[in-house]
Amino acid sequence: DGGITQSPKYLFRKEGQNVTLSCEQNLNHDAMYWYRQDPGQGLRLIYYSQIVNDFQKGDIAEGYSVSREKKESFPLTVTSAQKNPTAFYLCASSIGGYYGYTFGSGTRLTVV
Amino acid sequence: AQSVTQLDSHVSVSEGTPVLLRCNYSSSYSPSLFWYVQHPNKGLQLLLKYTSAATLVKGINGFEAEFKKSETSFHLTKPSAHMSDAAEYFCVVSGLSGGFKTIFGAGTRLFVKA
Repeated sequence: DGGITQSPKYLFRKEGQNVTLSCEQNLNHDAMYWYRQDPGQGLRLIYYSQIVNDFQKGDIAEGYSVSREKKESFPLTVTSAQKNPTAFYLCASSIGGYYGYTFGSGTRLTVV
Repeated sequence: AQSVTQLDSHVSVSEGTPVLLRCNYSSSYSPSLFWYVQHPNKGLQLLLKYTSAATLVKGINGFEAEFKKSETSFHLTKPSAHMSDAAEYFCVVSGLSGGFKTIFGAGTRLFVKA
């Protein structure tokens, strides 16, 4: 079945450590997105990519980095510069936002 | 400019009674409108979408929504709530103004009482 796979489901980060969240899709979608969700809040856009080897900052890109070397993959790195990384991270893909998104099941990141 | 407002942060209904989740939007262009559902610790699942075809849109699990341009609304309804409907619901507007732009509402938490 086609879909989006996020891994790991749970991730723990120590202070000062960089961690990478994986997002893979087999839907042949051009566009991919990373969102952050905090308790009781909506979704905030971190980064998005509409084509391979190109990506754009969203509303809260500081402390995060991404790459888009393959159409299927859009990993997110949470760097030590992100001071409050504890959150639920959602990856999504689409053929264009106008047509709706398919979401992964999320990664819950906790700082320990 | 585009925006979306979910008018209720929490809605509580009894099992078997109707559900109404309200959403108003603002868009300079003809938008696409969506409702997504999120169960705890899960990703978002598309319930239904409006993309300028029929104004009454039927989705999964018995949900439907009506696009009312004059009222700039896209309310989500279901005739009879089930316990499994308890979740967070997001109204989303997407359009082509200025290129890519998708806006998520803040979400409405639906509680279903037995």
